Amino acid sequence: KQEVTQIPAALSVPEGENLVLNCSFTDSAIYNLQWFRQDPGKGLTSLLLIQSSQREQTSGRLNASLDKSSGRSTLYIAASQPGDSATYLCAVTTDSWGKLQFGAGTQVVVTP
Amino acid sequence: GAGVSQSPRYKVAKRGQDVALRCDPISGHVSLFWYQQALGQGPEFLTYFQNEAQLDKSGLPSDRFFAERPEGSVSTLKIQRTQQEDSAVYLCASSPGAGATEAFFGQGTRLTVV
Repeated sequence: KQEVTQIPAALSVPEGENLVLNCSFTDSAIYNLQWFRQDPGKGLTSLLLIQSSQREQTSGRLNASLDKSSGRSTLYIAASQPGDSATYLCAVTTDSWGKLQFGAGTQVVVTP
Repeated sequence: GAGVSQSPRYKVAKRGQDVALRCDPISGHVSLFWYQQALGQGPEFLTYFQNEAQLDKSGLPSDRFFAERPEGSVSTLKIQRTQQEDSAVYLCASSPGAGATEAFFGQGTRLTVV
């Protein structure tokens, strides 16, 4: 059974520091991996999607890597800002229809 | 609309009441998913539709949970005889194709059973 783990559960950094968020999964047979952002009381916003054949994806200050063989993904956020404060969730797609298996998330606070 | 829309945003139900949660996916999206998110946890899969066909309902926690998408667009998640453990945020997501593509989520419905 696929298990997705996110470490740390919470993280607080001063503005300007780089953020490093980790995600691990137990079964490497995935179709893709997505990183999401969730603000309090809101739904999920997709940040990056990495196909299983890819090693990384970049969007602005965000960069996500994927090492399928070791079951790991890392989300890097460069030069953090207070507006980056949110919960970040990773999820792997476990079937051909797109069913997502989520981690519990990392709650990030960026202090001014 | 531009995104996935869910209604109501908040619902308070007395234990034993039936509730219906609505999801309007992005127009033309083939796939629709329902997830349940308990406080402090990641979302858990409930059920999946491809157009009007419910292809996977393995995540529905009990036979009190029922979902439908009769015309392949709007979907309704119904919970009968609600119990306190049903309190959660219910999220709907849609994606354009039938395969493992990017999912777009709605704002969710926060259900509180008292």
